[in-house]
Amino acid sequence: DTAVSQTPKYLVTQMGNDKSIKCEQNLGHDTMYWYKQDSKKFLKIMFSYNNKELIINETVPNRFSPKSPDKAHLNLHINSLELGDSAVYFCATTGSGNTIYFGEGSWLTVV
Amino acid sequence: QQQVKQSPQSLIVQKGGISIINCAYENTAFDYFPWYQQFPGKGPALLIAIRPDVSEKKEGRFTISFNKSAKQFSLHIMDSQPGDSATYFCAASIGISGGGADGLTFGKGTHLIIQP
Repeated sequence: DTAVSQTPKYLVTQMGNDKSIKCEQNLGHDTMYWYKQDSKKFLKIMFSYNNKELIINETVPNRFSPKSPDKAHLNLHINSLELGDSAVYFCATTGSGNTIYFGEGSWLTVV
Repeated sequence: QQQVKQSPQSLIVQKGGISIINCAYENTAFDYFPWYQQFPGKGPALLIAIRPDVSEKKEGRFTISFNKSAKQFSLHIMDSQPGDSATYFCAASIGISGGGADGLTFGKGTHLIIQP
């Protein structure tokens, strides 16, 4: 079983659309994250979620919103997609005193 | 403001050689310094990590050297192999494992190529 799984792996969509990326973890960890990797491979944290509470929200447009239906899931919703949103989005998770584990990424292309 | 600066951006090393990647940080509150390895099409995976109370940590062919006074740390890959070809990221965080609210602050990555 994959510890951190993301769907879809690839997503091509038009500007202005609304899309979601799903993340599920089977590690029983308390904290989940979304990271964005841009075209230059720079990784930057977007959100951190702990026990259903948003802990940190970096300077991310409010078109992005994380939603956690339960402890094992953290989905990323993006409204009104823009060309600049094209990137790889990584879900990650960690437990108390443990390593951060990353999913395999979701490649988003906005055309 | 980039809090973790990584160099070089790319590196080519002959098989069997030593690969060295350097990072410098600014925030003295950082207390956990991991290195992540990323292969094309995959997510970053933890390679090795160090806390500031030690100056060196070795795991197999991988060694982290840490200089707290200079706020610098580096990754050394001994006997580099073609399978080590990947992108390497240094990172830093506040919190023992990077699992705090702020997560990890990453360097910009080093694309390492090991030539056979």
